[in-house]
Formats: sequence, C-alpha cells, structure tokens
Amino acid sequence: GESVGLHLPTLSVQEGDNSIINCAYSNSASDYFIWYKQESGKGPQFIIDIRSNMDKRQGQRVTVLLNKTVKHLSLQIAATQPGDSAVYFCAENMGAGGTSYGKLTFGQGTILTVHP
Amino acid sequence: GAGVSQSPSNKVTEKGKDVELRCDPISGHTALYWYRQSLGQGLEFLIYFQGNSAPDKSGLPSDRFSAERTGGSVSTLTIQRTQQEDSAVYLCASTLAWGDTQYFGPGTRLTVL
Repeated sequence: GESVGLHLPTLSVQEGDNSIINCAYSNSASDYFIWYKQESGKGPQFIIDIRSNMDKRQGQRVTVLLNKTVKHLSLQIAATQPGDSAVYFCAENMGAGGTSYGKLTFGQGTILTVHP
Repeated sequence: GAGVSQSPSNKVTEKGKDVELRCDPISGHTALYWYRQSLGQGLEFLIYFQGNSAPDKSGLPSDRFSAERTGGSVSTLTIQRTQQEDSAVYLCASTLAWGDTQYFGPGTRLTVL
C-alpha cells in the first residue's frame, strides 16, 4: 500500500554541523513531496517542497533532494542551529487526477536534536 | 490573524461524551483538511473539503466522526460518544487551492478519560 517512511527515527548533531534527514516513499504515482517541521505543542510548519519533475530544490539553509529511481527523499539543513531541533516529517501527495490528490500521506517523523 | 486557528487548544472529556473541534482556515483558502496525530506518530488524514464539492471522508475512522464546513470557511469536526482511543491532537490545514501547500493550525489536543 501507500506509505512514506523514514530511515532514521532520531538524529543528534552539534550546532554548526550539517544535518541530513532521509525519507523513503513507496508510491511511484506521487508527484509532490513536502517537508514539515513540528515543534513541541505546535502544528507542522512548511519548510520546503519539491515536485517530481525536479531533482533538487534549495531554500534558506535547506535543500531537498529527490531520487525517483530509488524513491528517496532527503532534507539537508546547513549549519544546523539549536532552533532547528524539532520533529521533521516528509509527506507525499498523489498525482493530479488521482482520487487521493490533495491528501497528504505522512511519514512517522525524525527527531532532530541540535546540541550547542 | 494570518494563519489557521483552531479551538479549543485543549479539550478533556469523559468517555461517551460528544466533542466539537473548530477550525478557522486562512482567509481565501478554498480547501480545508483535518488530520489526527496520535502521540509520537505522524499525521493521519481524516477528511477534506474543496469548495462546494462533496467532502472526501475516506479517512474518517468510524461513523462517530463527522465534519462540516459552513459557508466555505469555518469547519467543525464532531466526535460522538468519544472513546479513549480518540485521544490525539487534531490538526486542521488549509490551502489556497486543491493540492497546494497545506498550512497547519496549532491543533486541538483531545484527551478522553
């Protein structure tokens, strides 16, 4: 069935290091992928997204890489800061025209802890 | 406010009671989604509304769950005869158009005793 999963449930890094959070997806029909950050007691916050016609997209200190061949998604955070500590979720969206279009399927999340 | 708002922020209820959770989407957003997040878990899709189309209820876990959206804006998620397994954070999201980036509210933490 459809699923989005994460390779690492927890990640601890030192402040200033680069962080990489990985995600595997199983539905080849998905054409839109999003990374969310969720801090304790808050709703998920949009970080960056990428569509299936792209391999890479960059934002401010964040980069998302998409490898459709192996159905793998990653989030890279440069110069990680203590404020980046949170749970990070990847999510996928089925292709346009599909009955599931608009509904996101979320992974279980990766806990990122940044040590000062 | 500029973001999605939800109320109440916390709700404690007794098993068997009915509860109503409210979501105010971002002004102008046509699509609205409800998700449930159990402790330490990812988000589970429940239902979404898009304009005047019939809602997609495929994620609702049982017939005790229902939702409505009045006037294409505010939405209410109702859980009847609550059970302890209904305890979770209920999150609402809205998008400018169907399939666009979803922006989430802070959630309502429901605890069923």
